[in-house]
Formats: sequence, C-alpha cells, structure tokens
Amino acid sequence: DADVTQTPRNRITKTGKRIMLECSQTKGHDRMYWYRQDPGLGLRLIYYSFDVKDINKGEISDGYSVSRQAQAKFSLSLESAIPNQTALYFCATSEGSANTGELFFGEGSRLTVL
Amino acid sequence: GESVGLHLPTLSVQEGDNSIINCAYSNSASDYFIWYKQESGKGPQFIIDIRSNMDKRQGQRVTVLLNKTVKHLSLQIAATQPGDSAVYFCAEPNTNAGKSTFGDGTTLTVKP
Repeated sequence: DADVTQTPRNRITKTGKRIMLECSQTKGHDRMYWYRQDPGLGLRLIYYSFDVKDINKGEISDGYSVSRQAQAKFSLSLESAIPNQTALYFCATSEGSANTGELFFGEGSRLTVL
Repeated sequence: GESVGLHLPTLSVQEGDNSIINCAYSNSASDYFIWYKQESGKGPQFIIDIRSNMDKRQGQRVTVLLNKTVKHLSLQIAATQPGDSAVYFCAEPNTNAGKSTFGDGTTLTVKP
C-alpha cells in the first residue's frame, strides 16, 4: 500500500461545485502539504501544515481551503470550483527534521473543472 | 523572492548516452538542494540531494554537481536507460520555513 494516499485519483466537475480532495499518510510525519502542478509550471504550494493545529498559506492559496483532521489526514477543498483550477494536485509529507527536506508524494489527483 | 529554474524544458537522448539536466537558482544563501524524478502518472520521488558544503555527490548512476559561484546545479545520469524517461525537478527545501521551491521541470526522453 502507498505511504501517501490521495482520493479521488480523477474527478470531473462543473463550475461552482464544491470539491474535496483527501489525503492520508502512514509515514507518521507531522508535516503535510498540498501542491498544484500545471504543465510547464512545476509544483506550486497551496497550503501546508506542520501539525494538527497548524495551517499555513502557500503561494497560491486563493480559492482553496484545507483541514488537518488528524496527524495522518489533510484535505483540500475548492469551495466553488472554476475552470482555471483544472490541474493535477499532489499531497506530500515530510519529517520536519532540519537534516532532510525530502518530500514524500502521493500519486496525484487529477481535477477537471468544466 | 527566491526561485529555482531549469535551463531546458525537454531533453532527448539516445539509450546508453549520458544525460545532463541543469538547474539555476537565485538565492546565494541557498544551502540544500534535492533532485526529484516524476514518472508518468506518479508523484515526484527523491533521487539525490546535495548540501552547499559539497560540490559533488554521487549515487547509483547519478551525480549531482553544485557550483555555488554561478548558482548552478546539474544532474548527470550515466548510461541513460528507457526507465529514466521522466520529468526531473530540482528543488530547494528550506527546512527552516518548511517549504520547498521547485523548478519547472525537464522532460527527459530516452530513445531506444
């Protein structure tokens, strides 16, 4: 089983709909992240959380919200989806140690907003 | 703000040749870098990292070179194989701030 699991893997929705992408991890890491990937633009950080009571905005948080329900779970919501939110979304975790900044990624959730 | 970027969005090589993927960064205080490999349909995976107290680090068939003078790093893949076809990202993990900044990625295609 994957250490970082994202659901759904694919979703097609319509403009204005509310969408939730879920992420769960079995790595025991405190830090969790949501990234967005668009063709030619690399990965951009949406939100991140260092523990259950900590939520921080990334570089492109507008139009998104998150919830850290437990150490192992971090969900991303689009309250009212719009077409330019069509993208590939990745959840990631990290140890949070100063010795390593390695991110462990899920397999991605492809979202299409019509 | 800080940024990392790659020189070429695509690279095509013949199987068995060596591949070199380049990355430039803007913050002279940057002291830690990671290369990730993203295969089709998957999330990025760690390949190798390097800290600023080193100018070279080797792994299995991969070598990362860091030139702090010109703020440039490169990933070299020896004897490139079809399984190396993927998108490669350089990233700067700011472990204090807890955030990683990614370059735009280079798509490596290996021709048989």
